[in-house]
Amino acid sequence: DAKTTQPTSMDCAEGRAANLPCNHSTISGNEYVYWYRQIHSQGPQYIIHGLKNNETNEMASLIITEDRKSSTLILPHATLRDTAVYYCIVRVEDNDMRFGAGTRLTVKP
Amino acid sequence: EAGVVQSPRYKIIEKKQPVAFWCNPISGHNTLYWYLQNLGQGPELLIRYENEEAVDDSQLPKDRFSAERLKGVDSTLKIQPAELGDSAVYLCASSRNYNSPLHFGNGTRLTVT
Repeated sequence: DAKTTQPTSMDCAEGRAANLPCNHSTISGNEYVYWYRQIHSQGPQYIIHGLKNNETNEMASLIITEDRKSSTLILPHATLRDTAVYYCIVRVEDNDMRFGAGTRLTVKP
Repeated sequence: EAGVVQSPRYKIIEKKQPVAFWCNPISGHNTLYWYLQNLGQGPELLIRYENEEAVDDSQLPKDRFSAERLKGVDSTLKIQPAELGDSAVYLCASSRNYNSPLHFGNGTRLTVT
């Protein structure tokens, strides 16, 4: 699976949009982009995934660039409860989900 | 639906002692995973089950770690004997099938003294 690069940490003001970037410049055509998050003392939680098209669900939006070399997870109105470590994972079908160190997002009042 | 249930939530043992962790996956989920998470790092896969069959245990240290998933439902992960370096959070996850999103339990935090 392709390697991903994420910033170590980010801050966001409460009520504003949180935009979390992820670089995956070696992604191949059949690799999906997954996002999970992990709130302190809990297990990771699935957020969203996509292949080529942008995706949106009740939690977030996933924007994948046309060349698929990077993506952005958008939390439209961040709350204090969105403070967590966010993992971007690139995975081809029938391969295991492998986590990196992620981005620690802190939402501030 | 009920989530993935793990027990115990915390465990403190002395080195060289045995320890076991239990996981009850979401009903109907055929795929079960055990991950290990060290402080400040992302989870690392230890073993994956498809129903009752361990299909990927390449990352499991087999000299001291063992796992089972009887009847393709609940699973246990055992360490015998435990070492100081085994102190970590042990996470269980399940998914409907291999290509479905993973659902994690809240883990067992193991401290080996």
